[in-house]
Amino acid sequence: GENVEQHPSTLSVQEGDSAVIKCTYSDSASNYFPWYKQELGKRPQLIIDIRSNVGEKKDQRIAVTLNKTAKHFSLHITETQPEDSAVYFCAALGSNYQLIWGAGTKLIIKP
Amino acid sequence: NAGVMQNPRHLVRRRGQEARLRCSPMKGHSHVYWYRQLPEEGLKFMVYLQKENIIDESGMPKERFSAEFPKEGPSILRIQQVVRGDSAAYFCASSPRTSGGETQYFGPGTRLLVL
Repeated sequence: GENVEQHPSTLSVQEGDSAVIKCTYSDSASNYFPWYKQELGKRPQLIIDIRSNVGEKKDQRIAVTLNKTAKHFSLHITETQPEDSAVYFCAALGSNYQLIWGAGTKLIIKP
Repeated sequence: NAGVMQNPRHLVRRRGQEARLRCSPMKGHSHVYWYRQLPEEGLKFMVYLQKENIIDESGMPKERFSAEFPKEGPSILRIQQVVRGDSAAYFCASSPRTSGGETQYFGPGTRLLVL
């Protein structure tokens, strides 16, 4: 079946350093890949997304890259700040118009 | 444009009671998804509905759980005869599902506690 694998499950980085979270997907027909951030006790919120017709998208300190051949996509956060601490989820649009979710990455920013 | 609304935000039930969780999608959105999340865990898909139709309920337990999205009013997730293991956060999300409308927008969640 369709699945999305996300790594690492936990990532601890020093404040100011960069963080990279990687996901791979199984359905080669997927063409939409969002990233969500969930702070403790809050709802998941979309932070960036990418469609299959582009290879990279940036929004200030956040960027997402997509390699359709290898079926993987990554989230890059530069100059990390304490407020970046959260759980991040990747997803890929599967058949039946549903998002297939990764298991999440807990990002810890050390002061 | 109000976001996705869920109520109640917190619900306490005793074992054997029924829980009803409500979700009003964003204006203009006709697709609703329900997810369950245990503490420190990911989002587990439960059910995907359109108005008056269940599109995919593959993630929902066959017994005690049901969902609907009527022509008028909110989507309802119903859990009958709740057990302690049903304690979790239940999120709904909505999308317009037009071309380019795959993004799901989440409500604040309902935290269900079964005593």
